[in-house]
Amino acid sequence: QSVLTQPPSVSGAPGQRVTITCTGSRSNIGADYDVNWYQQLPGTAPKVLIYGNNNRPSGVPDRFSGSKSGASASLAITGLQAEDEADYYCQSFDSRLSAWVFGGGTKVTVL
Amino acid sequence: EVPLVESGGGLVQPGGSLTLSCTVSGFIFSASTIHWVRQAPGKGLEWVGRIRGEANSYATAYGASVKGRFTISRDDSKTTAYLQMKSLKTDDTAVYYCTRASGYYQASAWFDPWGQGTLVTVSS
Repeated sequence: QSVLTQPPSVSGAPGQRVTITCTGSRSNIGADYDVNWYQQLPGTAPKVLIYGNNNRPSGVPDRFSGSKSGASASLAITGLQAEDEADYYCQSFDSRLSAWVFGGGTKVTVL
Repeated sequence: EVPLVESGGGLVQPGGSLTLSCTVSGFIFSASTIHWVRQAPGKGLEWVGRIRGEANSYATAYGASVKGRFTISRDDSKTTAYLQMKSLKTDDTAVYYCTRASGYYQASAWFDPWGQGTLVTVSS
């Protein structure tokens, strides 16, 4: 069971908007540690998508956006495209565990 | 050019040992904090541990599931980090990635870039 909780799957039609939530606790996201998001395409290594809650690395389309409130964070994908089919992971730091922690991952399916 | 390349994976029996290497190019290795993250087949990502640079006394930290069994080290002259794994269990079967911590504050670090991963299979 992961320290950060994500829905196992979300889906949407091309062009739609989908949101992935990441729920933590007072020892991680709620303690004001940053949340980062990664995209993992099938058979490849993860790639950072959002860092520091809401920052996009160069090359990441602005269709991807991140937000954080309290002990939760969200990743939104607008204008969903077929190439967005992947697994998405949130990540933060947990002060109680003194460890970097990941969510269980969310599989995005484009219908 | 791939900035991080893992090697050393393979098949090992339960209770055995294995050492993985992570060779870095394209960024200043000596000043970098290197993390190891693993992914069991069909499962999510799990943080394994990290090693900081010389300026921070090569400090290490480990996840609870590997503490006492795994050791991370580095050789700055070879721009290589190592993950020494002992007393391996079947649950340690996973693809092991090395990655660099980015950002100023280590607790808020994000992981970028990542290596391609190396598969470790623990089975009799």
